[in-house]
Amino acid sequence: QSVLTQPPSTSGTPGQRVTISCSGGIFNIGRNTVNWYQQLPGTAPKLLIQSNNERPSGVPDRFSGSKSGTSASLAISGLQSEDEADYYCAAWDDSLKGLLFGGGTKVTVL
Amino acid sequence: QVQLVESGGGVVQTGRSLRLSCEASGFIFSGFGMHWVRQAPGKGLEWVAVISYNGYDTYYADSVKGRFTISRDNSRNTVDLQMNSLRHEDTAVYYCANRNGGAYAQNWGQGTLVTVSS
Repeated sequence: QSVLTQPPSTSGTPGQRVTISCSGGIFNIGRNTVNWYQQLPGTAPKLLIQSNNERPSGVPDRFSGSKSGTSASLAISGLQSEDEADYYCAAWDDSLKGLLFGGGTKVTVL
Repeated sequence: QVQLVESGGGVVQTGRSLRLSCEASGFIFSGFGMHWVRQAPGKGLEWVAVISYNGYDTYYADSVKGRFTISRDNSRNTVDLQMNSLRHEDTAVYYCANRNGGAYAQNWGQGTLVTVSS
């Protein structure tokens, strides 16, 4: 069981906006920044959002991240078929002295 | 461009050892921390270990502490994961990734599969 909690799945139609939540605690999200990773089927994860809300070069601005207190969220605007993937949040935990990943959220484009 | 190439995976019996290696290129390896992250078949991502840029600091997940050792050779641009006393639950694809500023794991390798069987 992950210390960072994500919904197991969400879905939307093309063009819709979907959000994925990531709930943590004071020692992880509360004190450290959040990353989001996208994993397309059969491929390695890819960094999508760093430092809570920064998009690395090449990541479309349809993807945005935010953080408030001990929770974070990823929003995908203008959902596209190629966004169908698993999404993971991650944060360092100062108490456990380790990197935590959320359990992952599968996004389905209907 | 940044490349991370893992090697050393395979099939191993429970209780035995295996050593994974990750060769890095395309960035100044000696300036960045390095992670190992694994993914069991059909499951989510699980962080395994991290080593600081100079090798002085290492941290491990509780599930592998005392059995796995992460190390690096900055002269060869490699980071290794020595895995001892392997268990069925260690079966996974193992990825290496580099830490860069606000990115805990900025770039990832393609992964190497470790299968532990009896």
